[in-house]
Amino acid sequence: QQQVKQSPQSLIVQKGGISIINCAYENTAFDYFPWYQQFPGKGPALLIAIRPDVSEKKEGRFTISFNKSAKQFSLHIMDSQPGDSATYFCAASMDKIIFGKGTRLHILP
Amino acid sequence: KAGVTQTPRYLIKTRGQQVTLSCSPISGHRSVSWYQQTPGQGLQFLFEYFSETQRNKGNFPGRFSGRQFSNSRSEMNVSTLELGDSALYLCASSRSGQGQNEKLFFGSGTQLSVL
Repeated sequence: QQQVKQSPQSLIVQKGGISIINCAYENTAFDYFPWYQQFPGKGPALLIAIRPDVSEKKEGRFTISFNKSAKQFSLHIMDSQPGDSATYFCAASMDKIIFGKGTRLHILP
Repeated sequence: KAGVTQTPRYLIKTRGQQVTLSCSPISGHRSVSWYQQTPGQGLQFLFEYFSETQRNKGNFPGRFSGRQFSNSRSEMNVSTLELGDSALYLCASSRSGQGQNEKLFFGSGTQLSVL
């Protein structure tokens, strides 16, 4: 019930393409869904976040789509760039933040 | 504003030893959380401290403990180290703590290797 399931584990996308990472949760008490981006040798950093009363949030090339009834949410990276190559973690929060296992994204130049 | 500082950056220990990791949060942040990161399990929550009190705890054995000082700096201790404790240990700070839907600010972590 406390888990957040993230897929795929790794993803390779051509430069300019759309990268899509999916997450699912069980506990409907989660009320905040952030995405974190982590570069090698660095700690994760908040990328974008959404609350369950909103179906979509866009910040630049990054969009979160949220489906409350399906208990799923996804990150879309439009016009993916080599600089987007990183590990991405979805998360869900209630009294603590629970992270998915991460997706290693590689953008081919 | 200085970020979250973790020391040491790298640590090598042998089985059975104990280790202490340190985290200095961003000035003004009263919450410090600790996470264990491994390639297979991602980021796993260890515990959160807020104003010197443990506010929340993950599913780790009692060998993992922590504390927070009055200046909000935090330490994490692992006793009787096992090979499986090899991981990147990350700390994250925030102003009001987890459950407040705030941004977490992570340090760069301490890479612990247990031989």
